[in-house]
Amino acid sequence: DAGITQSPRHKVTETGTPVTLRCHQTENHRYMYWYRQDPGHGLRLIHYSYGVKDTDKGEVSDGYSVSRSKTEDFLLTLESATSSQTSVYFCAISVMPKGETQYFGPGTRLLVL
Amino acid sequence: AQTVTQSQPEMSVQEAETVTLSCTYDTSESDYYLFWYKQPPSRQMILVIRQEAYKQQNATENRFSVNFQKAAKSFSLKISDSQLGDAAMYFCAAPNTDKLIFGTGTRLQVFP
Repeated sequence: DAGITQSPRHKVTETGTPVTLRCHQTENHRYMYWYRQDPGHGLRLIHYSYGVKDTDKGEVSDGYSVSRSKTEDFLLTLESATSSQTSVYFCAISVMPKGETQYFGPGTRLLVL
Repeated sequence: AQTVTQSQPEMSVQEAETVTLSCTYDTSESDYYLFWYKQPPSRQMILVIRQEAYKQQNATENRFSVNFQKAAKSFSLKISDSQLGDAAMYFCAAPNTDKLIFGTGTRLQVFP
């Protein structure tokens, strides 16, 4: 158990509203990731962080932003939610220096109406 | 582009039997790890097994083992003595610098 929590666990929102998902870890690991999971696509990387204030884009970053002001927290923001962003969102942390073995949070199910 | 391919969207096995899930990957890394994750209906992603690419020996974890063919870039997962609790989605993953690339998954059904 890598001590990863995600909040909220479920959220229903309307198109055009901002949404922020939070990932919190208790282990002070350097690398943190945000993925989305959709049927037929597996897990796709949205953004990741390799340290406080150090972030980079993944393969599906459009429409998302992230922030990491503390080692333990990694926030994912949907500035103006769209129905295409309905998904299950997973946060992960990496215990290896090179961002390899990853451990996942429980996921957040987001529905955008 | 670095890719991970799981060509079996669904597999089924009877309890106590053995099943093999396939995965091929493409990476430019020279020293890397490969992973299999399990996702049961609870949606929690659970690390099943990890293979170090520079090791000749295939990794094993209890009833789970891999068949790693480095030259062929193949990394299959064998589940022996299948149990009902093995029913889940299984994802393989390969590295891309600081990131992992995941396959699209194989849904495994286990029949009594």
